[in-house]
Amino acid sequence: NAGVTQTPKFQVLKTGQSMTLQCAQDMNHEYMSWYRQDPGMGLRLIHYSVGAGITDQGEVPNGYNVSRSTTEDFPLRLLSAAPSQTSVYFCASSYGPGLHPGELFFGEGSRLTVL
Amino acid sequence: AQTVTQSQPEMSVQEAETVTLSCTYDTSESDYYLFWYKQPPSRQMILVIRQEAYKQQNATENRFSVNFQKAAKSFSLKISDSQLGDAAMYFCAYTRGGSQGNLIFGKGTKLSVKP
Repeated sequence: NAGVTQTPKFQVLKTGQSMTLQCAQDMNHEYMSWYRQDPGMGLRLIHYSVGAGITDQGEVPNGYNVSRSTTEDFPLRLLSAAPSQTSVYFCASSYGPGLHPGELFFGEGSRLTVL
Repeated sequence: AQTVTQSQPEMSVQEAETVTLSCTYDTSESDYYLFWYKQPPSRQMILVIRQEAYKQQNATENRFSVNFQKAAKSFSLKISDSQLGDAAMYFCAYTRGGSQGNLIFGKGTKLSVKP
C-alpha cells in the first residue's frame, strides 16, 4: 500500500517557468490537499478538494492551480514560477465526511527551488 | 480567524526524561479538533495524537499525552520516557468540526533529545 505519492521530490526552476507537482493516493480518500512549508512558518494550506470535480482555495492560493479529475490524483500547477514559491510542498489526503476529521496522510514532500 | 501559537521554537530533553510542548489556539467555534503532528528529519509528517473538543478526557497514545484546557484554549503535549527517535519538529494543529482536513498549523517546536 503506497499511501500518498508525490513527484518529483526535488525540482529547480527558473523564474517564469511552469511545472506540475503530481500527487496520487491509493486509499480511496475523498479529501486531498496541498500545503507549503516555509522555515518558521509551519504548514499553510494552498488548495484542497473534497471529491472529484470539486476544488477550493486555502490560505495561500495565489500563483497555484489545481484540478481533481479522479479520486486518486490531485496535481498542483505553478503557471509562472516566482522565487517566493521556493518551498517544500506536501500533498495530503483524508477520509470522507465525518470520518476521522483532520487525520491527514501526508506524502514525503517536494522541495522546489525557484531561481 | 482561528490561530495556533507555539511559543517554544526549540526544546531539549534528556533521554528517558519527560518534556512538555506548549500550544495555544484561538477560535470562536465550539466544535473543533486539535492535533499534534511530528516531522522527523526524513520530512514525513506523522500524526501523533488527536483531541476532540467535546471530550473532557485528555487523549493519550502510549508515551504521548495531552493536557487539554478548553477554557484557557491550551493544548500541550507531554512526552514521557523520551527516546532518541522522538527528536523532530512537532506541530500543533487545529481544524473546525465538519472540516475533513483543512488544518491550521502552528509554527512548530524543534525537539532535541540528548543521550
